Amino acid sequence: RKEVEQDPGPFNVPEGATVAFNCTYSNSASQSFFWYRQDCRKEPKLLMSVYSSGNEDGRFTAQLNRASQYISLLIRDSKLSDSATYLCVVNGEDSSYKLIFGSGTRLLVRP
Amino acid sequence: DAGITQSPRHKVTETGTPVTLRCHQTENHRYMYWYRQDPGHGLRLIHYSYGVKDTDKGEVSDGYSVSRSKTEDFLLTLESATSSQTSVYFCAITSGQGVFYEQYFGPGTRLTVT
Repeated sequence: RKEVEQDPGPFNVPEGATVAFNCTYSNSASQSFFWYRQDCRKEPKLLMSVYSSGNEDGRFTAQLNRASQYISLLIRDSKLSDSATYLCVVNGEDSSYKLIFGSGTRLLVRP
Repeated sequence: DAGITQSPRHKVTETGTPVTLRCHQTENHRYMYWYRQDPGHGLRLIHYSYGVKDTDKGEVSDGYSVSRSKTEDFLLTLESATSSQTSVYFCAITSGQGVFYEQYFGPGTRLTVT
């Protein structure tokens, strides 16, 4: 079983739609959770950190369910510019701030 | 922008040749990382550093070595490049501490081994 699992997609949605991605992680002791966005042939960029049950940033909402070991990302009112791959990321086991990355979920927003 | 640059940005090399990739940061971060990204595998940690001359292996360290002689520079060396090392290489730094930290990436180096 992978340490961080995501549906690879692609999710193909019209502009203005609401879309949700889920991610599951295997280590129940994980404390730090992140969503990154990666555009084609570019570096991953931090979208949101998730340190409690969840947080919201504009059209983006991240939620954490520790009991079920999953994290979700909700995008409301999708824009064409939201088209990208979204990476679910969880901290590694030691104190060296290592991260474990999911393989990503691809989102395509169409006009 | 976390002030991370990588060089070269693109490189084509032949099997068996040595290759060194450079990561440079301007903000005095203690922790630095090298990842590779391949289709179907996501980002995988190669090596990381927790200070000058302090480095350790990640999950895919075979065939790679690193050095950090200055806080700002973290070098990744492929001693004898193989075709399986064709990949995109990202450097990263960690900002913050405890459970409140974030990791930022450089622009990447696209390496092709022929």
